[in-house]
Amino acid sequence: GAVVSQHPSRVICKSGTSVKIECRSLDFQATTMFWYRQFPKKSLMLMATSNEGSKATYEQGVEKDKFLINHASLTLSTLTVTSAHPEDSSFYICSAASHRELTEGYTFGSGTRLTVV
Amino acid sequence: LAKTTQPISMDSYEGQEVNITCSHNNIATNDYITWYQQFPSQGPRFIIQGYKTKVTNEVASLFIPADRKSSTLSLPRVSLSDTAVYYCLVGDTSGNTGKLIFGQGTTLQVKP
Repeated sequence: GAVVSQHPSRVICKSGTSVKIECRSLDFQATTMFWYRQFPKKSLMLMATSNEGSKATYEQGVEKDKFLINHASLTLSTLTVTSAHPEDSSFYICSAASHRELTEGYTFGSGTRLTVV
Repeated sequence: LAKTTQPISMDSYEGQEVNITCSHNNIATNDYITWYQQFPSQGPRFIIQGYKTKVTNEVASLFIPADRKSSTLSLPRVSLSDTAVYYCLVGDTSGNTGKLIFGQGTTLQVKP
């Protein structure tokens, strides 16, 4: 099936620094990718829709200047958490749809655990 | 986007069949129904997807009544490894760009 690789799986950073998370579709091209964040014991919350070659579409309440999304190619989208603070500590997950979405759904990355200290 | 409602939690025992029902009263004509499974600290994993009637694959069955306002995920003979959170999602994913909004999900606990 379709594979989405997310890197890093775990990162610890100091408050005030920026962190970049990569999401790659390994065996298919994805014009659209999605970024979610998940707090402990909570559901996934959609942050933004990443569109290849154009600006991302952010959900209401998500700061676009804080969560920078770049989708420069059909296989790579990046999420940069700028000037991170402890409240940004969360589990970040990306997803993408292959042409097989009607039989396999959207494929999700394995997630990135961000801890801001 | 159609909102989904599921039980918050369910308990079962190994070897039993588990049925998780999801309500989606405002489902749109173009919406598909998709179920995902998530283990702690992992991304969700696709289980099954359907539009109407019944869909079956190697891991589960999905039952969708004619009015499509609800759906039931059926897991045959669960094992301890099926303990996870199960999400029912509704959305227009036919064009590869429809966003999926997650509800609260159902935490399934399988006991020995």
